[in-house]
Amino acid sequence: DTGVSQDPRHKITKRGQNVTFRCDPISEHNRLYWYRQTLGQGPEFLTYFQNEAQLEKSRLLSDRFSAERPKGSFSTLEIQRTEQGDSAMYLCASSPGTSGRSQETQYFGPGTRLLVL
Amino acid sequence: QKEVEQNSGPLSVPEGAIASLNCTYSDRGSQSFFWYRQYSGKSPELIMSIYSNGDKEDGRFTAQLNKASQYVSLLIRDSQPSDSATYLCAVNRVTALIFGKGTTLSVSS
Repeated sequence: DTGVSQDPRHKITKRGQNVTFRCDPISEHNRLYWYRQTLGQGPEFLTYFQNEAQLEKSRLLSDRFSAERPKGSFSTLEIQRTEQGDSAMYLCASSPGTSGRSQETQYFGPGTRLLVL
Repeated sequence: QKEVEQNSGPLSVPEGAIASLNCTYSDRGSQSFFWYRQYSGKSPELIMSIYSNGDKEDGRFTAQLNKASQYVSLLIRDSQPSDSATYLCAVNRVTALIFGKGTTLSVSS
């Protein structure tokens, strides 16, 4: 299976700790997205990469959050000084980058479920 | 007004019936519309995309788009218990997908 993969699938941490999540997009997909989903809500956009360039960030991405895609392949999302309100499912998606941005289908990974105690 | 609105449900239909899921959006400039299915505890899975006014059919699924009314719908024919899930409507705002809260569908056998 060559879909989007994410690691870890589950993470439990204590408030104040730092956590890092990894996303591997579908091979040769140039565009990569991070979303956050809380219970009963749809996913909310966090940030977007075109190759290694981070081109868009949501205001939801506070200064405790940082995302990278150093070689234009996998991406990491780090949350520093976690808070209980950070508990959510963190979803990564990718798209080919061959069509207009507004028309491309985004394919989601299985997500990383974070619980901050 | 929220950007993408859906009735949260639950929508309950008997097996074999047609399920109708509705979505409205606020940005008239939106051009791309998507329906995702999400099973409990899982990630969203694409069902359909639609870009032009009218109907688009794929198997038991039909997406309908009316840009003048800013309305998107998803019809599921011959509903099966395996269709029980949350259906998310998403609108593409240039790059980011803007999702509704989703409608929970329950198909009873």
